[in-house]
Amino acid sequence: ETGVTQTPRHLVMGMTNKKSLKCEQHLGHNAMYWYKQSAKKPLELMFVYNFKEQTENNSVPSRFSPECPNSSHLFLHLHTLQPEDSALYLCASSQTGASSYEQYFGPGTRLTVT
Amino acid sequence: QKEVEQDPGPLSVPEGAIVSLNCTYSNSAFQYFMWYRQYSRKGPELLMYTYSSGNKEDGRFTAQVDKSSKYISLFIRDSQPSDSATYLCAMSGRAGGTSYGKLTFGQGTILTVHP
Repeated sequence: ETGVTQTPRHLVMGMTNKKSLKCEQHLGHNAMYWYKQSAKKPLELMFVYNFKEQTENNSVPSRFSPECPNSSHLFLHLHTLQPEDSALYLCASSQTGASSYEQYFGPGTRLTVT
Repeated sequence: QKEVEQDPGPLSVPEGAIVSLNCTYSNSAFQYFMWYRQYSRKGPELLMYTYSSGNKEDGRFTAQVDKSSKYISLFIRDSQPSDSATYLCAMSGRAGGTSYGKLTFGQGTILTVHP
């Protein structure tokens, strides 16, 4: 595997379900990100992790819970989601510091909340 | 007012045309300016990066930043059908501290280049 991988690629869940999204990067980076991409809206930064430590939570509701066990893996745990949470969830990674503008994205998980 | 404004298009041009994509922004703290390209069912990929003001050229692509007008542009010369994608502008603040990695994106412009 190369680059940034995300699983699953598609997920349909009910509002009472609990599920997790997984992201893995094979680039040796130390920063990882979760973004939300909704139709007709800009990409929204959700969380930032540097060296496994969360450095940014962009006012994300608590029904989204990130986890970063090491610099290569990032999870997004989902519970009691709302239909408006349906979107493409993108994971990205980068070097830390001044090179963090160069982010490498995975293909995303298309989430549908019913 | 959004921090970054980008016309979503869609924009349709014939093969070989010169394409101009633009973004305006309101946050004067932005110092890093990027263009990402996103093909259908893929994640965005970095296309061009410019620090502060000026021009940068890479093959058929030219990025321009005018900080005095808070305006950035991406030009594509001799456009090809393979350039059909969504183009996202992105910006980041001054280097250091918690500004690192915090990109603010425009909505994206959908571009179609037809043969």
